[in-house]
Amino acid sequence: NAGVTQTPKFQVLKTGQSMTLQCAQDMNHEYMSWYRQDPGMGLRLIHYSVGAGITDQGEVPNGYNVSRSTTEDFPLRLLSAAPSQTSVYFCASSYSTLAGITYNEQFFGPGTRLTVL
Amino acid sequence: SQQGEEDPQALSIQEGENATMNCSYKTSINNLQWYRQNSGRGLVHLILIRSNEREKHSGRLRVTLDTSKKSSSLLITASRAADTASYFCATVPRIPNAGGTSYGKLTFGQGTILTVHP
Repeated sequence: NAGVTQTPKFQVLKTGQSMTLQCAQDMNHEYMSWYRQDPGMGLRLIHYSVGAGITDQGEVPNGYNVSRSTTEDFPLRLLSAAPSQTSVYFCASSYSTLAGITYNEQFFGPGTRLTVL
Repeated sequence: SQQGEEDPQALSIQEGENATMNCSYKTSINNLQWYRQNSGRGLVHLILIRSNEREKHSGRLRVTLDTSKKSSSLLITASRAADTASYFCATVPRIPNAGGTSYGKLTFGQGTILTVHP
């Protein structure tokens, strides 16, 4: 199993550009989520999904969109990039939930380092 | 807002010594998890302890949970240079409501940077 994969590894955008960060998992996990990691801030939840067709907002959702058309994929879209979105983005998945609650360990991808100029 | 806060922010020890990291949280929880992150990599799950458990072991790791003090500790015994990493605690907070109890999303602390010198 490849686990959780993310592409690209690195990306540089100009202010106002849009892009999609890709995330895929091959473990048939129901729960998938996106975090951003900033120095001194730990990881903050952006959006999450408890299954195909179901998404919800996390702590810092503004400026990001998600969709979940399949169990395997959970892309994160930046609509109009801003310098404040410069960060490292992590996708994670978990194999079971109860009403969207992460009772179990999460598996993380390797991350995407995004710089917005 | 940060649910968990790790202490110390940074820890530097010699190989073979024990490393202890602490995590304090604000609200009642369903479970608490510890993760490790090597520089430039994703997080790796280490251990999960539920609110009705007091201690768990996994290899050289020992985690304790004191729900009365809302705190947890991670002990790494006989540390190795390869243990050099950032360590994060994460909690699933309990959210009381009029109809009963629900739970929030997994919330991470800011982490402890551990450096083990050979």
